[in-house]
Amino acid sequence: DAGVIQSPRHEVTEMGQEVTLRCKPISGHNSLFWYRQTMMRGLELLIYFNNNVPIDDSGMPEDRFSAKMPNASFSTLKIQPSEPRDSAVYFCASSFSVGELFFGEGSRLTVL
Amino acid sequence: QKEVEQNSGPLSVPEGAIASLNCTYSDRGSQSFFWYRQYSGKSPELIMSIYSNGDKEDGRFTAQLNKASQYVSLLIRDSQPSDSATYLCAVTSTSGTYKYIFGTGTRLKVLA
Repeated sequence: DAGVIQSPRHEVTEMGQEVTLRCKPISGHNSLFWYRQTMMRGLELLIYFNNNVPIDDSGMPEDRFSAKMPNASFSTLKIQPSEPRDSAVYFCASSFSVGELFFGEGSRLTVL
Repeated sequence: QKEVEQNSGPLSVPEGAIASLNCTYSDRGSQSFFWYRQYSGKSPELIMSIYSNGDKEDGRFTAQLNKASQYVSLLIRDSQPSDSATYLCAVTSTSGTYKYIFGTGTRLKVLA
């Protein structure tokens, strides 16, 4: 079975540019989570969706970050404009209800 | 107080020994508990889930949960160098919405 699929795996961009990260959750899962991981702060929850509806976005750092889930098989996390402090690994994860959570391979973002 | 706390380590154990990893959490209503293993540069990988008090064994891994004391632990028997990784504890929060809160992880080193 396919796991959580994220793209791109690596992104290098310049400050001020727009960044879009994409995620396809595991088929049948109804909850999708976006996390950010840095050495300093560990794994931080940014936002999560249940049945395509955003439930909790309290972890989104600021208005430069936005996330959408237009259907059950696709989600995007957008940063506009990007800043060097946004450099991190961004993980998408999915679950069925509050069961086991499975992660994608991550998108490593570097903002110069 | 952090919601999920782990000792950052590194925890060093000799090959063949038992590694004991601990995690405490603050939300008394938490119902689901998970242990993830994360190799450097990789995504978190689910090892164990536990939902009720007591022990749960899976191969060389045993998860232990004590809700009264609000701690969950992971024992790794017959530790191997390939077990060297960061181990993340995750707890589902019940504060209004269900979401997975992660500790900062314990780095384990198994010495050959």
